[in-house]
Parts: sequence; structure tokens; C-alpha cells
Amino acid sequence: SQQGEEDPQALSIQEGENATMNCSYKTSINNLQWYRQNSGRGLVHLILIRSNEREKHSGRLRVTLDTSKKSSSLLITASRAADTASYFCATVPDSNYQLIWGAGTKLIIKP
Amino acid sequence: NAGVMQNPRHLVRRRGQEARLRCSPMKGHSHVYWYRQLPEEGLKFMVYLQKENIIDESGMPKERFSAEFPKEGPSILRIQQVVRGDSAAYFCASLPGLADYNEQFFGPGTRLTVL
Repeated sequence: SQQGEEDPQALSIQEGENATMNCSYKTSINNLQWYRQNSGRGLVHLILIRSNEREKHSGRLRVTLDTSKKSSSLLITASRAADTASYFCATVPDSNYQLIWGAGTKLIIKP
Repeated sequence: NAGVMQNPRHLVRRRGQEARLRCSPMKGHSHVYWYRQLPEEGLKFMVYLQKENIIDESGMPKERFSAEFPKEGPSILRIQQVVRGDSAAYFCASLPGLADYNEQFFGPGTRLTVL
């Protein structure tokens, strides 16, 4: 079964606004990763945060990790129409080497 | 440095035929994952391979599905006697090694349609 669960399932905002997506998981993890998928395409890695990290930035992306709540959030600031895509979180459990995927958040940025 | 390559990008098969999907990992990567994705859903793990070795095939149906990653050449995901429910996008991803808990590099996927 999928460990990661993203919410919301879908998010539609105006260009320029910030977009926040959340991910919850069940078991202890080595790291958590966020990926982006444009419609009909493969996945692109965005950012990785390790279990001993609490926050990480990459350009307009900000990821937080709360291991006590087993949750992570992905914030995209100053959104652009080109950010329209599905965003997935994936966890690498401590006891395993697999990536375990959530069902994703579909983000639509309205111009 | 070429990325992960998959072919074909689109594959149409009739029920009962065989589907053969290929994945060439990034140069220097010796580990490959195969995933399946249905429309509007996340990825489902199928199999994890190292060259000449299946590490974990727990996500792959025991019947009709098989995977290999030979010493030379691409990784192959083979689906025999396809059924309509096999229609999906199949993605492979590669990693440099088992102990490397870093990002996976994805191919563009093969979209399988079973008529």
C-alpha cells in the first residue's frame, strides 16, 4: 500500500500566489523526496530532504519535514503557469531501499 | 550524458499478445526500478533490479509479468498474454547503486494500450 499521502488532491490558484502541498507518511524514513510530473511525461526530481533535516530550499521551492508528525510540505512561491503539473512525494523507509509513492497533488496555475 | 531512455514510447497490443518494454539506464547506473502508473494515480512499485539480479519483485504480478536486466543491454519488462487491465504507463528509473539513497532518474515512460 502507498505510504505517502498528499493533500490536497487538486489545487488551483492564480499565477503569482504561493502553492502549498502536504504529504503524510506512516513509517520512519531515511529521506523524503518530491517529484514533479508534467502531463504525459516522466517524473523529475525536485528536492530531497533527509530525516535529520527540517527545512530545505531550492530556488522557489521550500520543503519542510516534521518527523514527529510524519509529514512534509512543499511550498512553491510566486507560482507561474509553467508550474502546472502533478507533484508527488516519495519516502525511502529506514528499513528498505524502495521509494514509496503518494497519489500526488494536481496543481493548476491560472494565468 | 544521456538520460534514462525507454522504448517504445507508445505500444498498442491486442489481448493475448506479448508486450516488451525496454529501459536503458543512465551511464554508470547499475540499478533499475520499474513502476506502473494508472491515469490520475501515483506510481506503483513493480520490480527492482541490479545487473543480472532481481533484488525485489514483490510488486510484480506472479503470472504473465517478468523482468530482467542483463549484463549487457537494456532492462526488459515483459508482459505475456496482455489483458485490458494492463493498459497503463510504465516508467523505469535508474540509480547508481543500492546504497545510494538519492534521487531516482526517470525515463519518459512507455504507454501501453491493450485493445
